[in-house]
Amino acid sequence: QSVLTQPPSVSAAPGQKVTISCSGSSSNMRSNFISWYQQLPGTAPKLLIYDNKKRPSGIPDRFSGSKSGTSATLDITGLQTGDEADYYCATWDRSLSAGGFGGGTKVTVL
Amino acid sequence: EVQLVQSGAEVKKPGESLKISCLASGYNFTNYWIAWVRQMPGKGLEWMGFIYPGDSDSRYSPSFQGQVTISVDNSISTAYLQWSSLKASDTAIYYCARLLPDWVLPNWGQGTLVIVSS
Repeated sequence: QSVLTQPPSVSAAPGQKVTISCSGSSSNMRSNFISWYQQLPGTAPKLLIYDNKKRPSGIPDRFSGSKSGTSATLDITGLQTGDEADYYCATWDRSLSAGGFGGGTKVTVL
Repeated sequence: EVQLVQSGAEVKKPGESLKISCLASGYNFTNYWIAWVRQMPGKGLEWMGFIYPGDSDSRYSPSFQGQVTISVDNSISTAYLQWSSLKASDTAIYYCARLLPDWVLPNWGQGTLVIVSS
């Protein structure tokens, strides 16, 4: 069972927008930063968003993150076929004294 | 450029021991935590634990405490994940990653596939 809760899948047509939600609790998300990772098929995860909304260099601004209380979202605008991947949110959980990931969300471009 | 290069795929039998490695380069190895993450076949990412090479302080997620051991060899900038007695349920891809403050993993190894089968 994952520390954070994500929808299993979301989908949209090319050029459209998808929003991936990530729900946590007071022991993790409320007091810690959220990061997001993209995992393309057969590859290692890649950092997309850190500190809730910051993008590493090289990540296009089509990807944006936000957090409010114990919920966070990742928005992908101008959806492209190359965005088909699994996306994971992650943070630290104080009660477990461990990091935790969401269960992952598969993005499908219709 | 920061790079993490992991050892190759392994096929082992239940009960055997195993140690996989993660060679770091492009930064001061002793200054940053290294985390290990498991991905079972067709499943999501699971945080296993992490280690600070500067003093070998290691922390484990509750699910992995006592099941694996994380260590480092600073002389060769390498982190390790080891098992003393593998189980079929240890079959997975294992990733190492550099851990920054605020629990950010900006750099990942390519993954090591471990297959445990009789």
